[in-house]
Amino acid sequence: SQTIHQWPATLVQPVGSPLSLECTVEGTSNPNLYWYRQAAGRGLQLLFYSIGIGQISSEVPQNLSASRPQDRQFILSSKKLLLSDSGFYLCAWSRGFDNSPLHFGNGTRLTVT
Amino acid sequence: AQKVTQAQTEISVVEKEDVTLDCVYETRDTTYYLFWYKQPPSGELVFLIRRNSFDEQNEISGRYSWNFQKSTSSFNFTITASQVVDSAVYFCALSEAVGSGGSNYKLTFGKGTLLTVNP
Repeated sequence: SQTIHQWPATLVQPVGSPLSLECTVEGTSNPNLYWYRQAAGRGLQLLFYSIGIGQISSEVPQNLSASRPQDRQFILSSKKLLLSDSGFYLCAWSRGFDNSPLHFGNGTRLTVT
Repeated sequence: AQKVTQAQTEISVVEKEDVTLDCVYETRDTTYYLFWYKQPPSGELVFLIRRNSFDEQNEISGRYSWNFQKSTSSFNFTITASQVVDSAVYFCALSEAVGSGGSNYKLTFGKGTLLTVNP
């Protein structure tokens, strides 16, 4: 069966520090991968998605970037965090066809101080 | 652009009451999928259901049922005989194709409805 791992679960970082959140998927190949952010107010905002290695699409201009160095690895990064980057970050995967459901990781709660 | 509206920000019910969560969507796609997810206090998002735009048959799964009406662009979710464990934020989502080939997509989520079921 497929599993998705996301870490760390919580993170407190000072303004201006770098960020690296990692997400890996097991049990499937060539998944679509997604990064969502859930800020106050609960709405889920799509940040990045990837349909293949090295293929990254950005949805919202921002202080963050994403990379997919391996088929089942998706990394969210920032060189310098802002206060507004605080939020709950969720990684998800789906099969690349048939509009299959997104399956989410447990999320990372990031607090920028 | 795709849009999902969940007009109910918060709903509070007493255990055993029935509750319906509303979802209205906008899309120009002729083929699309609708989803419902549950987010309990622990934070993870749990997939509940996927519905194809060509399939307007209502679906029932235990105490959960979904009413899809294409004519009104709605995909409402009803919990019958609610329980305390149903307390969560519920999200409705709409698929949108991305890239070429039509086989990849992304989800647009509504803002969610916080359901609180009191004992």
